[in-house]
Amino acid sequence: QVRLQESGPGLVKPSETLSLTCAVSGGSISSNHWWAWVRQSPSEGLEWIGEIYHDGETNYNASLKSRVIISVDRSRNQFSLKLRSVTAADTAVYFCAREQEVWFAPWGQGTLVTV
Amino acid sequence: DIQMTQSPSSVSASLGDTVTITCRASEGIGTWLAWYQQKPGKAPTLLIYAASTLQSGVPSRFSGSGSGTDFTLTISSLQPEDFATYFCQQGNSLPRTFGQGTKVDIK
Repeated sequence: QVRLQESGPGLVKPSETLSLTCAVSGGSISSNHWWAWVRQSPSEGLEWIGEIYHDGETNYNASLKSRVIISVDRSRNQFSLKLRSVTAADTAVYFCAREQEVWFAPWGQGTLVTV
Repeated sequence: DIQMTQSPSSVSASLGDTVTITCRASEGIGTWLAWYQQKPGKAPTLLIYAASTLQSGVPSRFSGSGSGTDFTLTISSLQPEDFATYFCQQGNSLPRTFGQGTKVDIK
């Protein structure tokens, strides 16, 4: 079965760039699915950040669009998130997930990023 | 953005009880609604999608209903592993949005 695993620094300084990678195993990132980033914080709850298809097409949440880049690396079967100019408000648990049509399944275990 | 509002925010129940959670969308979303379960320190898992379709492997005591703006998740005969937080999510349009969650705890 498909599994996703987030990786990246757990601590980022204000104004710097948050960078996370999601490794996909048990399936191909080039399959007919979109791949998403979602974050969760006590103040904002679950927030969809954006999504990417294996051909590189992306959609972003307008609230973050000016600061976000999601990219895909088909050769490594992974996709990545970059969020620039972070502030304390970006402190959250970041999840990657595969989209099953417009639903999210499965999810990675999540990684806490503190700004 | 479509706002998703869940109620109640928390509910206390006993083993064997039936629990009903509601989710209201700020505009009509057809049946583009999913329910997730999340346990502490874990990622959400998909329970129900398209308002009423059970995800593979999910026990039949979970059921969903509704369309348009009003939806319900029902958990029949509550089991120990069902004490968790439940979220709804709309898939009708971007950005995808989630409810704020309903915590089901032990009475």
